[in-house]
Amino acid sequence: GAVVSQHPSWVICKSGTSVKIECRSLDFQATTMFWYRQFPKQSLMLMATSNEGSKATYEQGVEKDKFLINHASLTLSTLTVTSAHPEDSSFYICSARGAGSSYNEQFFGPGTRLTVL
Amino acid sequence: AQKITQTQPGMFVQEKEAVTLDCTYDTSDQSYGLFWYKQPSSGEMIFLIYQGSYDEQNATEGRYSLNFQKARKSANLVISASQLGDSAMYFCAMTRGLAAGNKLTFGGGTRVLVKP
Repeated sequence: GAVVSQHPSWVICKSGTSVKIECRSLDFQATTMFWYRQFPKQSLMLMATSNEGSKATYEQGVEKDKFLINHASLTLSTLTVTSAHPEDSSFYICSARGAGSSYNEQFFGPGTRLTVL
Repeated sequence: AQKITQTQPGMFVQEKEAVTLDCTYDTSDQSYGLFWYKQPSSGEMIFLIYQGSYDEQNATEGRYSLNFQKARKSANLVISASQLGDSAMYFCAMTRGLAAGNKLTFGGGTRVLVKP
């Protein structure tokens, strides 16, 4: 199957700083990328959907000014957590879908664990 | 709005035995997709099996089968011949429309621990 990478795999930052997480599709062009957040012992919650070259669509309750998403190319989407606070500490997972994919193909990245001190 | 419910927060299963993970869903859509994912402690999401709302036969993928009961709105996952490596979190999920390219709504998950 197709491969999606995320960088970094984990990051620790101080409160008030911004953190950028990259999501790359390595061997296919991702027309759509999704960003999920998973708190400890909880399920995945969709934060936003991004399509290449257009603005991301955020889920209700997700602050678009705090979680900046850029999908500037068909292989790269970035999530920037601005002015991070301890409550933003979570596991962030991206997934990607390519054009022409069959029904069951949404490929997940390995996730990024963010800890805000 | 769609909703997925997994009522079993955790369960033990003996190695080599079968286990059924429950999943019920709620949607007013006629067209939807049902998915099961496995999440080991490493955090990666591993796709297991898919069932489209119009599929009349239950989906099977190796040791995984999906017991689709449309009238009951249930999509239980059956893992046969459990292995130690099956110990993980399992999530049921669904999409509006048939395609995984649509956004996924996840259930709360079930933690499975396989005992030797």
